[in-house]
Amino acid sequence: NAGVTQTPKFRVLKTGQSMTLLCAQDMNHEYMYWYRQDPGMGLRLIHYSVGEGTTAKGEVPDGYNVSRLKKQNFLLGLESAAPSQTSVYFCATSQRDSSTDTQYFGPGTRLTVL
Amino acid sequence: GENVEQHPSTLSVQEGDSAVIKCTYSDSASNYFPWYKQELGKRPQLIIDIRSNVGEKKDQRIAVTLNKTAKHFSLHITETQPEDSAVYFCAAAPGRNNRLAFGKGNQVVVIP
Repeated sequence: NAGVTQTPKFRVLKTGQSMTLLCAQDMNHEYMYWYRQDPGMGLRLIHYSVGEGTTAKGEVPDGYNVSRLKKQNFLLGLESAAPSQTSVYFCATSQRDSSTDTQYFGPGTRLTVL
Repeated sequence: GENVEQHPSTLSVQEGDSAVIKCTYSDSASNYFPWYKQELGKRPQLIIDIRSNVGEKKDQRIAVTLNKTAKHFSLHITETQPEDSAVYFCAAAPGRNNRLAFGKGNQVVVIP
């Protein structure tokens, strides 16, 4: 039982390159979230999904796209990376709506954009 | 949307003393208030939460109190230990189908 996993753990990109971050969960949770964490800024929601095939924008969605083709996976894409997207990215899941239920976080992906 | 603020940003305490972190929120409709702990280099993990129909909740050395009138809630850690050193995030949610709003975090340092 791995819980919530993220791939890759670290990545360095050049400005303009693209990449996809993968979040996988074996908890059979309906809700999945992508956050970014920057020093002194806390956790900011990028996009989220309330179930397979659904996605919605969070607080800071610009420059990112997401897909939830399978219930257990939530992908975060950067089409043209910018230095402002240097951050630690956390995926999280919850069985029910996060406004009433515990969120379980993945280990994080540290992304540097040069 | 909901705005959550945490004070102080950094708190240093002697081992064995108590630590208190306070959060304020802006949306009076918020009814769920979790606290997450993040150790250095690790993922955030839920340590305690409280709902608006309860004024206080305890779990061993940690407790959370909620004052809905004043729109603030606090985390209390008693008999602090070195393993309590971490960043603590509070959050608030204005109800179903609304997302959690996190505060910016408090760094707690327990001095042995």
